[in-house]
Amino acid sequence: DAGITQSPRHKVTETGTPVTLRCHQTENHRYMYWYRQDPGHGLRLIHYSYGVKDTDKGEVSDGYSVSRSKTEDFLLTLESATSSQTSVYFCAISGGGADNSPLHFGNGTRLTVT
Amino acid sequence: GNSVTQMEGPVTLSEEAFLTINCTYTATGYPSLFWYVQYPGEGLQLLLKATKADDKGSNKGFEATYRKETTSFHLEKGSVQVSDSAVYFCALSDNYGGSQGNLIFGKGTKLSVKP
Repeated sequence: DAGITQSPRHKVTETGTPVTLRCHQTENHRYMYWYRQDPGHGLRLIHYSYGVKDTDKGEVSDGYSVSRSKTEDFLLTLESATSSQTSVYFCAISGGGADNSPLHFGNGTRLTVT
Repeated sequence: GNSVTQMEGPVTLSEEAFLTINCTYTATGYPSLFWYVQYPGEGLQLLLKATKADDKGSNKGFEATYRKETTSFHLEKGSVQVSDSAVYFCALSDNYGGSQGNLIFGKGTKLSVKP
């Protein structure tokens, strides 16, 4: 394993409530990512971070925000959860660089919004 | 924009059969290409990669060759095992906002291998 822990592993929440997912890494990698995985869509990038307090939007960022106050932690927040945000969320890390250092993924968080 | 198209599954094979999973891409510039594998209940793992045209990535008996002329990166294995049952994702790199590590994924192909 690449030293990535996602918490919680499972979460059920109601529409309109705030939810925060946590990704913690022990690899001291610069880049961290949040993806969502949905049937028929593969994985889609939500947000990513290229350093402490440096973040940017991905392909499907609407309704999500992120924060990275420490190298090892990357938080994904749904300010007001909707049913369309029911998904499996994966955190990934990468050393980055011009050689396209591969992504290492966590085991995912299954979120259900009722 | 950049995109990846891979064959839809599920693919069901008998043990020791030959496997091909097709992947084609659209990209500007010279992306790197990847195959990731996802076993049930787990995150994705890098299976193999190729960083330039005509490169062949290989790992665990799987191979894929970066074909720029046909914009393809098909995954092959000569003799599959039950333990190869998983979902396989083709992906390409995309220099998104300066980062070298962001990837664009295909939708995934589920492989089931029967004994």
